[in-house]
Amino acid sequence: NAGVTQTPKFRVLKTGQSMTLLCAQDMNHEYMYWYRQDPGMGLRLIHYSVGEGTTAKGEVPDGYNVSRLKKQNFLLGLESAAPSQTSVYFCAPPLAGGPGRFGRSDTQYFGPGTRLTVL
Amino acid sequence: RKEVEQDPGPFNVPEGATVAFNCTYSNSASQSFFWYRQDCRKEPKLLMSVYSSGNEDGRFTAQLNRASQYISLLIRDSKLSDSATYLCVVNSSTGANNLFFGTGTRLTVIP
Repeated sequence: NAGVTQTPKFRVLKTGQSMTLLCAQDMNHEYMYWYRQDPGMGLRLIHYSVGEGTTAKGEVPDGYNVSRLKKQNFLLGLESAAPSQTSVYFCAPPLAGGPGRFGRSDTQYFGPGTRLTVL
Repeated sequence: RKEVEQDPGPFNVPEGATVAFNCTYSNSASQSFFWYRQDCRKEPKLLMSVYSSGNEDGRFTAQLNRASQYISLLIRDSKLSDSATYLCVVNSSTGANNLFFGTGTRLTVIP
């Protein structure tokens, strides 16, 4: 999955602090996704983007904002971190599918993850 | 009801054993199905797709039962290196945010 990188790999925040997670891809993907993974909850979609300049809410968007100013970068922001946002965050582009589509036979692959702890 | 449900395990099996995981999905219109493997503190990685006719990849066999809406993964001759969490993933074809993930089944293969 060398085409997708996430920074930082680890971060510890205090409640109320802000931070931005960066997902960078060099595969020219139109669609990009941000997930969080928590024990017993599985992967849950936070926000996603279907192209440069577009974003949409997923299953658990509250407390997060996203931006996709350039196609290759998908940013996930926490304006005021809360302990409930302690999680592992994965960026995921499509594994298949043509440009500008995510079809019914497609799936995703995942960046290496960002492990965030909010104290 | 969750879109995708899996038995969380853990499954502890001896080396060489055969182990099977099941996963059920709620949306009968779902089109595509996948098994992912996730090692501890790593990202999930695609193990195999699941085809209607069933498919095999070495020691791994995936089956789909559309009538009962479940997917299975069979691992034969378990190796220590098979120890991981296995995620069931379903593409429900409802739009750009199609994928739904099970919580994963943890497997530990014991020497």
